[in-house]
Amino acid sequence: EVQLVESGGGLIQPGGSLRLSCAASEFTVTSNYMSWVRQAPGKGLEWVSLIYPDNATYYADSVKGRFTISRDNSKNTLYLQMISLRAEDTAMYYCARGKYDWNGPFDYWGQGTLVTVSS
Amino acid sequence: DIVMTQSPDSLAVSLGERATINCKSSQSVLYSSKNKNYLAWYQQKPGQPPKLLIYWASTRESGVPDRFSGNGSGTDFTLTIGSLQAEDVAVYYCQQYYTTPRTFGQGTKVEAK
Repeated sequence: EVQLVESGGGLIQPGGSLRLSCAASEFTVTSNYMSWVRQAPGKGLEWVSLIYPDNATYYADSVKGRFTISRDNSKNTLYLQMISLRAEDTAMYYCARGKYDWNGPFDYWGQGTLVTVSS
Repeated sequence: DIVMTQSPDSLAVSLGERATINCKSSQSVLYSSKNKNYLAWYQQKPGQPPKLLIYWASTRESGVPDRFSGNGSGTDFTLTIGSLQAEDVAVYYCQQYYTTPRTFGQGTKVEAK
């Protein structure tokens, strides 16, 4: 069974940095496109970033220049490096798998890791 | 960016009755050369991640009950729950994967009356 397990969330002060991880099993993170989606408390879903099999990356305007998506093929893990964090980045962060290599909906989601940006 | 707008924001339906959710995109998500609409529907229950229900606007994901159906093309789409069950109480989101940024609708909360 495909699984995605996020980690790395926590309480961080404004301006701080955090790296989220998403460990994948039963598939390789290079075979599909992968994405991060976040959800602020009580709010809807917001797409954050994606990475394609050829390493092309895309970001929402709200995080561009502050967040970096990457993956470690040897660990079969997706990452999201976040710097200059703001209160509005407070959210549950989900990693999600694209159903196909270059496109498609998100067919598997992790349980999420909570990031709280507060002083 | 493609803006996805769902209606209504919430609805209450009697168990066994039909629930219909609408989703409108600000531009077409129909990829003409493939004749496919790049539109998905997700269900999210409290404390859980979203779950894929429908993709290509009308294809049910494996294991999704057939009371869930999707229709529409271009810019206008619907998700129908044919006979609402208690376990269908959730928030439903549409999403386009036609282009980046990927965008979601604001969500529709479905409750049992």
